[in-house]
Amino acid sequence: GQNIDQPTEMTATEGAIVQINCTYQTSGFNGLFWYQQHAGEAPTFLSYNVLDGLEEKGRFSSFLSRSKGYSYLLLKELQMKDSASYLCAVSYGSGNTPLVFGKGTRLSVIA
Amino acid sequence: NAGVTQTPKFQVLKTGQSMTLQCAQDMNHEYMSWYRQDPGMGLRLIHYSVGAGITDQGEVPNGYNVSRSTTEDFPLRLLSAAPSQTSVYFCASSRRDRGSYNEQFFGPGTRLTVL
Repeated sequence: GQNIDQPTEMTATEGAIVQINCTYQTSGFNGLFWYQQHAGEAPTFLSYNVLDGLEEKGRFSSFLSRSKGYSYLLLKELQMKDSASYLCAVSYGSGNTPLVFGKGTRLSVIA
Repeated sequence: NAGVTQTPKFQVLKTGQSMTLQCAQDMNHEYMSWYRQDPGMGLRLIHYSVGAGITDQGEVPNGYNVSRSTTEDFPLRLLSAAPSQTSVYFCASSRRDRGSYNEQFFGPGTRLTVL
């Protein structure tokens, strides 16, 4: 199978920076997505990486290293509303192939 | 655009009952999929479709049927509900472009309890 690994839970302080890591199998890699999911709600799209490097979008950035099968989501200036689960998902093969999701990282932001 | 809609939002079934979870999208997306989400298990793919008339199994298809007669609709059928099917069900859709970025849009989910 194509395992996507990410930490189960993380805790960080309001105003701080947190990095959520994701590792995946590199064979057939076609792109990586990060989604945010608040409790009781649907996942919503945060970012997409297909080339190596950092993609910045406001307080959120996502990094990809294709050779290492590694990505991270960086959240800056944490706010209480950032408490949510963060899902890493990888696209393998062609556009016909479903996304493979990790189990998600539950982030708790504390005062 | 309404995006991806799902009905019902909540449902309670008795073991052995059947029902259909509805999913519709108005973005003319070719690709649609059904996931279930259980605590500690993440999103698991049940069935997916790359276009009208075409469906395929995902990771956990047993106990579920799908059909795709139109681009807009992708219903999920539980033929004989079991307590193990208690879960939150999400429908998602996306464009289907080879080798390019295809963001998935998720519906609000259906919370199903089987007693």
